[in-house]
Parts: sequence; structure tokens; C-alpha cells
Amino acid sequence: EDQVTQSPEALRLQEGESSSLNCSYTVSGLRGLFWYRQDPGKGPEFLFTLYSAGEEKEKERLKATLTKKESFLHITAPKPEDSATYLCAVTGTASKLTFGTGTRLQVTL
Amino acid sequence: DTEVTQTPKHLVMGMTNKKSLKCEQHMGHRAMYWYKQKAKKPPELMFVYSYEKLSINESVPSRFSPECPNSSLLNLHLHALQPEDSALYLCASSHPGQGGYEQYFGPGTRLTVT
Repeated sequence: EDQVTQSPEALRLQEGESSSLNCSYTVSGLRGLFWYRQDPGKGPEFLFTLYSAGEEKEKERLKATLTKKESFLHITAPKPEDSATYLCAVTGTASKLTFGTGTRLQVTL
Repeated sequence: DTEVTQTPKHLVMGMTNKKSLKCEQHMGHRAMYWYKQKAKKPPELMFVYSYEKLSINESVPSRFSPECPNSSLLNLHLHALQPEDSALYLCASSHPGQGGYEQYFGPGTRLTVT
């Protein structure tokens, strides 16, 4: 059974204070690792897809990286508008999206 | 355009009511999904349609009945729900295949069962 574990559960940063979110996974035949951002009461917003170890993707202040066992979402100089829950998910041979429980990020002034 | 739309945004229904949730996408995706999400939990997969055919039912109770009338539309018919069915219901779509394609989510329908 595919499993995804995210840490920390919650993270509070000051504006401009860079940090990383961790996503550890076990999956049978990785087809893709996905990062989403979710604001309260809204649907997840797609951020990145990573397919193989060593791959990196960037978008504004976010950078996602992938190894054979984990993925990191690096947030550089965050702003208050980056506050959200960040979800990591994988698909394997079962072709179903398995989510982690998310990291709730709060960025304060 | 990466938009998935869902109606209604909010729905309150009694346990004897029948209602439907609707989802639409115009991205040319041929896979569509229903998820249920409880507060502070990740989305849980309910159903998957691929090329308008039901391909996955995650042992969902029969009081939830999905329907895919065409490649752009997805419905979820609700009947005789229980209070514990109150949740955010999310629709998503993607290219079909072996699971390597990202899913795009709608804004969700907040369902309250009284």
C-alpha cells in the first residue's frame, strides 16, 4: 500500500524566513509525486509534478526536489500570502492519488 | 485554462432529501474524480471515471451515486445521507493513463447534512 508522510504538521515562519517541508513516501512503482497548495475551504491547487529522483521544479518562491525516498518543498523568503496547507501526493502502479496529511504553513509579518 | 467548476458551493440537506452535485471541466480531460474531504484531513478518493466509464469505486455506500453524462460533466447524486457525510466534496480531472498526470481540482461543494 502506498504511503505518504509529511513533516512538520505545522510550521510558523516570519516573512522572509526560508524553510523546507518534507514528504517521505513509499510507493510501488512511482508514476508521479505531486505538490498541492490548499487554502481553507477551497480545493487543492496544483503546484508541481516530479517523476524521477534528481528532478527539481521551481515556481516563484517555491522549489520542489525529489529523491528516491522523499521530496522537499523549499520556500524562499516567504510572504504572508504563502500561508496555506501544502499537500504532497503520489501515484504508483495502482494509479490512485495517495495524499499525505499536509503541512499547515503560517507566515507572519 | 485549468478550471474545474462545481455547483453548488454550499448545500444543506436533510437525511430524507435527494440532491445532486455537479462538476464541469473543459480541459479535454478524459478522467474525472470525486473526493470527500473532512476538516484537517487530506482528500479521500470516492470514484474514478475514465473515458466516461466508472473505473474505481472505493467501496462508497450506495447513498452516493456517481454519473458521467459526457466527457466534460460529472454528477454525484445524493440520497438518504447521514450527518457524518457532511464534508467538502471535491471534483477533479486529469488526462487518463497510468497515474502520471496531475489532477486539477474544483473549489468544492460544502455539504451539511442535518
